Amino acid sequence: DVQLLESGGGLVQPGGSLRLSCAASGFTFSSYDMSWVRQAPGKGLEWVSAISGSGGSTYYADSVKGRFTISRDNSKNTLYLQMNSLRAEDTALYYCAKGGYAPLYFDYWGQGTLVTVSS
Amino acid sequence: DIQMTQSPSSLSASVGDRITISCRASQSISSYLNWYQQKPGKAPKFLIYAASSLQSGVPSRFSGSGSGTDFTLTISSLQPEDFATYYCQQSYSAPLTFGGGTKVEIK
Repeated sequence: DVQLLESGGGLVQPGGSLRLSCAASGFTFSSYDMSWVRQAPGKGLEWVSAISGSGGSTYYADSVKGRFTISRDNSKNTLYLQMNSLRAEDTALYYCAKGGYAPLYFDYWGQGTLVTVSS
Repeated sequence: DIQMTQSPSSLSASVGDRITISCRASQSISSYLNWYQQKPGKAPKFLIYAASSLQSGVPSRFSGSGSGTDFTLTISSLQPEDFATYYCQQSYSAPLTFGGGTKVEIK
């Protein structure tokens, strides 16, 4: 079975940094795009970033471009999201999802890790 | 960016009802449209891809249709486990974008 397990969330002050991780299992990790999708409290879904299977291509929402960096370690079956210069509006539950541009959908999701940006 | 607009934002229905949820794209996205279901406190679940293809394991009472800019998710006979929020998502062009969601509540 496909499993995605996020970690690394927490409370951080505005301007601070956080690194999220997503451990994947149950599929050939390096063969698929992976994405981060977030959901602010009581709000809808917002795609944040995606990375190709090889890690050679990355994509970002305008709202995080220049502040967030997506990466992956295919030897460890792990996806990462380095978040810098955090703002209050980045407060959300961050989901790791399998897919993005290849395939063109998110077919499996983790349970999410909560990031709270507050002083 | 392609804007996705869902309607209604919420609806009340009874078990056994047939319901439809609409999703409109701000420009043509061909059939690059996916649907997800989310229950409170849970991660989204993938339902339909390419506008009308049912993901494996999803009950056949769910169906999707449309192309271009107008899409529909239909549940033919609403079951208790179907009360949830539904999101459409376009995969035609970057950035990937979601609709605002439609909450299906019990009447």
